[in-house]
Order: sequence, then C-alpha cells, then structure tokens
Amino acid sequence: QQQVKQSPQSLIVQKGGIPIINCAYENTAFDYFPWYQQFPGKGPALLIAIRPDVSEKKEGRFTISFNKSAKQFSLHIMDSQPGDSATYFCAASASGTASKLTFGTGTRLQVTL
Amino acid sequence: NAGVTQTPKFQVLKTGQSMTLQCAQDMNHEYMSWYRQDPGMGLRLIHYSVGAGITDQGEVPNGYNVSRSTTEDFPLRLLSAAPSQTSVYFCASKETVNEKLFFGSGTQLSVL
Repeated sequence: QQQVKQSPQSLIVQKGGIPIINCAYENTAFDYFPWYQQFPGKGPALLIAIRPDVSEKKEGRFTISFNKSAKQFSLHIMDSQPGDSATYFCAASASGTASKLTFGTGTRLQVTL
Repeated sequence: NAGVTQTPKFQVLKTGQSMTLQCAQDMNHEYMSWYRQDPGMGLRLIHYSVGAGITDQGEVPNGYNVSRSTTEDFPLRLLSAAPSQTSVYFCASKETVNEKLFFGSGTQLSVL
C-alpha cells in the first residue's frame, strides 16, 4: 500500500521555468512533510519541509504548498536552473521519536538551457 | 564531521552469500535507519533503531538483520543474498529536534 503518491515520474522544463511536483497522502496522522533532493551517485538531502499548521513555506527558490483538506502538497521551483536537475522525493511521517519517513516514488527533473 | 559513512560503495555477491553493510555516524543521533532504493519505487524502509540496543522492522525487513550495539554504528546484514536484493542501500540518521534525516552516500549491491 503506497501511502504517499508522487507525480509526475519525470519532468523536463526550460531554464527559468517553474516545475511543479505533486504528492498526495492517505494517513491523516502524518504531520511532517519534507522534500528531499538527490543527485546521481549521492544520498538524498533535505531540501525543505513543512508542517500542517501553515499552507505555504518558501526557502529561496523552493516553495512548498500544503492543502490539508485535500491531503496534498507540492513543490514549486522558481526560476529553475540546470543545476536543479536531480531526482526529488516527497515524504511524510507522524510525530514521535520512532517516526518513520515514508517516501514517494520520486520525480526526475531535467532543466534544459 | 564526516556525517553518515557507508561502506562499501559497491559490492557484487553470488546468490546465497552473506555480507554486512557498514554504517557509522558521528553526529550522536539516536535514530538510525536503512532504506533501499529501487527504480520507480522510491526509498523503502528496511529496519530502524531509536537507540543502542533497540531495533525494529520497517516496510521491507525480510532477508535483512540489524543490531545496534553503539550509538555510532548500525550495520545491515544480508543473511542469504537473493537477486531480489539487488538495490542501492542508504543508511540515514536523524536529528530528534527537527526530524531531519542525514543520508550516507549509498552502497550499490548486485546479487547474481
């Protein structure tokens, strides 16, 4: 059972475009929603995260939009650059020291010149 | 700080062989975990530990064993390797305060 569904699987945008990656979750106990960025041959690294008490969070060119009623959240990358080409994973977990992060299946983003 | 260190980076096994993937962290994190990454399936949790002496199963624990004798180390053992265990394995540790996971650079394992 996939608890976090991510789309699209892959995405190609031109430099300066705004790629949007969407995720939907099922477990209403989830209260932490991070996005991880992974470059080839490297481990994932935390990009930005949000909790359900806010509907939007911005860090630099990266924005998370969160819709609690729809159980959906998305990542927007403003003014995308070729260096943003990577695989992006959404994830979710419920509070607690034993909280287990459940990941989406990933989106491979390519930003072309 | 080295962060999370995984060894080896690459490994080829024959079906039925056993091996241990090593993971060490120097951030004094209580929580550590192992994930496997397969194309189109994202990262799936194998086992995790909330502190020395405490381990528990994740989503896909079958065929794997873990132990946690120290805060720093969290090895993953493949008891009898199968081709279905061909994957990239990531170890991660977590800050308690902000839930941030720190990943190692991964071990690419092929089972023939």
